[in-house]
Amino acid sequence: IAGITQAPTSQILAAGRRMTLRCTQDMRHNAMYWYRQDLGLGLRLIHYSNTAGTTGKGEVPDGYSVSRANTDDFPLTLASAVPSQTSVYFCASSDVGGSRPDTQYFGPGTRLTVL
Amino acid sequence: GQNIDQPTEMTATEGAIVQINCTYQTSGFNGLFWYQQHAGEAPTFLSYNVLDGLEEKGRFSSFLSRSKGYSYLLLKELQMKDSASYLCAVLDSNYQLIWGAGTKLIIKP
Repeated sequence: IAGITQAPTSQILAAGRRMTLRCTQDMRHNAMYWYRQDLGLGLRLIHYSNTAGTTGKGEVPDGYSVSRANTDDFPLTLASAVPSQTSVYFCASSDVGGSRPDTQYFGPGTRLTVL
Repeated sequence: GQNIDQPTEMTATEGAIVQINCTYQTSGFNGLFWYQQHAGEAPTFLSYNVLDGLEEKGRFSSFLSRSKGYSYLLLKELQMKDSASYLCAVLDSNYQLIWGAGTKLIIKP
């Protein structure tokens, strides 16, 4: 079944630890995104990638890094986790330049708790 | 700054009609999206408007007025499964999606 997968589903992490959230899509979409969603706030863009080999910073990039070595994978790394990074993280992808511009399709999310 | 406003929460009755409003102020406009998000799940695409007017898709319709910076999502014949959050998002001049905080819709029997 085509779509986006994320791993892990949930994670409890000690502050100061390094963590990588994984995201893989099989729709051959060129653009991918990482968002965080906190209660009462809209989705906030952390980083994005318009095509393999390129990345860009979103609204809240501090403390996060990404890489886009190929079309399918877009991992998000927290170098040294802090409690304010407790959130639900969604990965999304879109077919930029397609018939319906920038419709984003979301993965199931990763619930991260930093203690 | 860029801003998208939608009501925090709305309540409606099963079988009725509800209208969820969204107003926006963004740097440029390249379209407006509505997404549905059930509790604990990912957002899923509902509609896209780039021209003024009403787009109808089954029980759901979405309206856009670019001159007023305004959109609404109309849900007819409400069902219990329509209980969810509805997210409004605008594609700005840089083709980045700006998201509203979402409207939690509660359906009562």
